[in-house]
Amino acid sequence: SQKIEQNSEALNIQEGKTATLTCNYTNYSPAYLQWYRQDPGRGPVFLLLIRENEKEKRKERLKVTFDTTLKQSLFHITASQPADSATYLCALDEERSNYQLIWGAGTKLIIKP
Amino acid sequence: DGGITQSPKYLFRKEGQNVTLSCEQNLNHDAMYWYRQDPGQGLRLIYYSQIVNDFQKGDIAEGYSVSREKKESFPLTVTSAQKNPTAFYLCASTHGQTNEKLFFGSGTQLSVL
Repeated sequence: SQKIEQNSEALNIQEGKTATLTCNYTNYSPAYLQWYRQDPGRGPVFLLLIRENEKEKRKERLKVTFDTTLKQSLFHITASQPADSATYLCALDEERSNYQLIWGAGTKLIIKP
Repeated sequence: DGGITQSPKYLFRKEGQNVTLSCEQNLNHDAMYWYRQDPGQGLRLIYYSQIVNDFQKGDIAEGYSVSREKKESFPLTVTSAQKNPTAFYLCASTHGQTNEKLFFGSGTQLSVL
């Protein structure tokens, strides 16, 4: 079955620097991959979606890359701010059903002033 | 403002009791989903519905039941058959019948007394 791995340890970044989060997957080539932000006690909020034929997607200070050879997506936040502190989840579609996303456990990002 | 509303925010269940979690959306979305989130794990799909009066089991449907009598509403019942119900429950919706760009509610934390 599909498996997604995100760094389980929190990532501490100094304010103003670029934060890079990793999402690795196995056993399948997804049609697309999504990134969400989740604050404590809240539901995830959609950030970006990147399709298998796209190498890179940008939205303001956010950038996502998708390397289907390495089976990896990288999520970058440039000029990071303390308000960017949250847990970031990646999710990809699963071949056996159009309606079942496979979710990573998330990486907690802490931006220090 | 359009959105997706879950209630209650916190819920306590006694042994042998059934409890129902509410999910309402005014986004005119076709598809709705129920996920369960446990610490250190990715979201797991309980049930989903693409149209009114129809729903499908996800990976962990045992001990849960749903209904979709109205497009706007997708309540989840946690039955006494669910032996480990303590978790954070998330409802989501999306336009059309894909699982791209999910909108999430703010979640319900269910605990066992």
